[in-house]
Amino acid sequence: AQSVTQLDSQVPVFEEAPVELRCNYSSSVSVYLFWYVQYPNQGLQLLLKYLSGSTLVESINGFEAEFNKSQTSFHLRKPSVHISDTAEYFCAVSGHTGGFKTIFGAGTRLFVKA
Amino acid sequence: DTAVSQTPKYLVTQMGNDKSIKCEQNLGHDTMYWYKQDSKKFLKIMFSYNNKELIINETVPNRFSPKSPDKAHLNLHINSLELGDSAVYFCASSQQTVNTEAFFGQGTRLTVV
Repeated sequence: AQSVTQLDSQVPVFEEAPVELRCNYSSSVSVYLFWYVQYPNQGLQLLLKYLSGSTLVESINGFEAEFNKSQTSFHLRKPSVHISDTAEYFCAVSGHTGGFKTIFGAGTRLFVKA
Repeated sequence: DTAVSQTPKYLVTQMGNDKSIKCEQNLGHDTMYWYKQDSKKFLKIMFSYNNKELIINETVPNRFSPKSPDKAHLNLHINSLELGDSAVYFCASSQQTVNTEAFFGQGTRLTVV
C-alpha cells in the first residue's frame, strides 16, 4: 500500500530565508508525486508534480522539488520565501496500487515571519 | 470562470438533519471525488466516480451517499447528521484516475450543532 509522510507539521521561517518541506513516500511500484498548496479558506491548488523524466521539477512561483527514488523522497524547497507563501502544503502520491487512490500527507504549515 | 464549484460554501445545521452539498466541474474531466478535511487539516478521500460509476468507496458511514447524475456533477447527501461530521468537504476532479493532478473546489464548511 502507498503512504506519504510529511515529517514536519509546522515550519516557521523568516522572510527571504530558504525553506525545505520534507516528504517521504512508500510504494512498491512506480508513483506519481505532487505538491499542493492550500491558502486559508481555499481549496488545494497544484504547486508542482513529478510524473516521469527529469527528477527536478519547478513551479512558476519559485518552488522546486526533487524526486529521489533511492531515498523515496520528494522534498519541496524554495531559496527565498515571501510572506505570501504562508499556507498549508500537502505532498501526495498516486499510483496503480491502492485502487487508483491519491494519498495525501498530513500537511505542513509554512509560516513566514517578517 | 470557476472550474470546480461547490455549494453551499458554509452549512450550519442541527444534529439529526439531512443535508446535501452539490458539486459541478466544467473542465470536461472524467473523474470526480469527495474529500473530507478535519480540523487538523488531514485530508481523506471518501468517494471517487469515473464516468458516473463509483470506483472508490472508503470506509464512510452509509449515512453519506454520493450521486453522480452525469460526468460533470457529483453531489453528496448526508443523512442524520452527527457532531463528528463537522469538517470541510472538498469536491475535486481530474482527467484520469491516477497520474494527473486534481482540481479542487473551494470547500464546504459543515458545522453540526
